[in-house]
Order: sequence, then structure tokens, then C-alpha cells
Amino acid sequence: KAGVTQTPRYLIKTRGQQVTLSCSPISGHRSVSWYQQTPGQGLQFLFEYFSETQRNKGNFPGRFSGRQFSNSRSEMNVSTLELGDSALYLCASTRSEGETQYFGPGTRLLVL
Amino acid sequence: AQRVTQPEKLLSVFKGAPVELKCNYSYSGSPELFWYVQYSRQRLQLLLRHISRESIKGFTADLNKGETSFHLKKPFAQEEDSAMYYCASKTGNQFYFGTGTSLTVIP
Repeated sequence: KAGVTQTPRYLIKTRGQQVTLSCSPISGHRSVSWYQQTPGQGLQFLFEYFSETQRNKGNFPGRFSGRQFSNSRSEMNVSTLELGDSALYLCASTRSEGETQYFGPGTRLLVL
Repeated sequence: AQRVTQPEKLLSVFKGAPVELKCNYSYSGSPELFWYVQYSRQRLQLLLRHISRESIKGFTADLNKGETSFHLKKPFAQEEDSAMYYCASKTGNQFYFGTGTSLTVIP
């Protein structure tokens, strides 16, 4: 069974631009969560989607948004990029509540 | 808000020595607690969860509600245990991660 995949793996953008990251969960998994990982803050929860609905949201500004499609694939969008948005963005999928999270390899975003 | 604290950013132990990675949580209810591990060049993966009360790769973790702690322990560290370890708590569908402890096992 294929694991969680994320595209692209690396991305370089400049301040003010926007970016869209993609996450394909493990087949049969309906929940997708997004995290931002930085050296100083560690892993911070962004949001979680289940059956195309956002169920939980972390403490990030509205520039960070996401969505989930009917096939459970999820996208995350960051608008008006700031230098501080440089991070590794991880997504994780779960079959259902209470089940183990499986993480993707991450997308490393560099904002110049 | 929930908070998970891992006081040690870096921890080095000799092979064969006991190791304890500390984790404290702040939550008045009954959270689910986890330890995740990330080996070099690998994905973050679940190591163990407190509700399973299991031992994985020789690691155990006991939930101490009085001290609000969930420390990870192993009696005899191995070189292959060198990795980044994250403690996490879960309420509903939201996870809260600590900032991680980098464990180095010295041969």
C-alpha cells in the first residue's frame, strides 16, 4: 500500500507570492491533517480535514487555508507569503478517529 | 490551550546506558498521549501510544497524571535509537506536539 505522498517536495518562493501544496493520503484514509515544522517551534498543527470538511483548525492566520477533495486528496494554500513561512510542511492521514497517523515526507518551502 | 513540553533539546547517552526522554503536558482532562520518532532521512512515525501500554523497540512510557508527565524510557540504549523524538497529546482530532528531543547514542 502506497504511503502518504506530498508534492512538490521542495519549493522556493518570494515574499508576497502564494503557494499551493498537495497531499495524497493512503488509500482508504479519509482524514488529512497539516502541520508546519520549524526548528524553533517544532510541529504546529494547521488544520484537519475529514470527508471534505475542515474539522479542526490551529492558531494560524487566515493566509493559511486548505481544502479536501472527494478522493480525500488535500491541498494547502498560503497566500501573501512571509519569510517566516519558510518551513517543512507535513501532512498526515488517518483512516478514522483513533487510528494511527501516517506522515508524508513533507514539502520544504523556502521564502526569499 | 494544551501544551506539550520537552525540556531537553539534545540528549546524549552511551550505548547500553538507560535513557529517559522527558515530556510534560498541560491539560486538565484526559488526553491521549503519544511518542513519535523521526530517524535520519525518514518520515515521522508513531513509536507508541499510552492507551496501548505496549513496549516498542524496548521503549516504554507511563502516563503519570499526578505529575502530568509521559516520559519515554529504555533501559539499554542502542546506536539505532539515535533520532528525533516528539511527544504529542491529542484531544478530539487535534494533535499538539512538543518541540522534540534529539537523542544521540554514543557507541
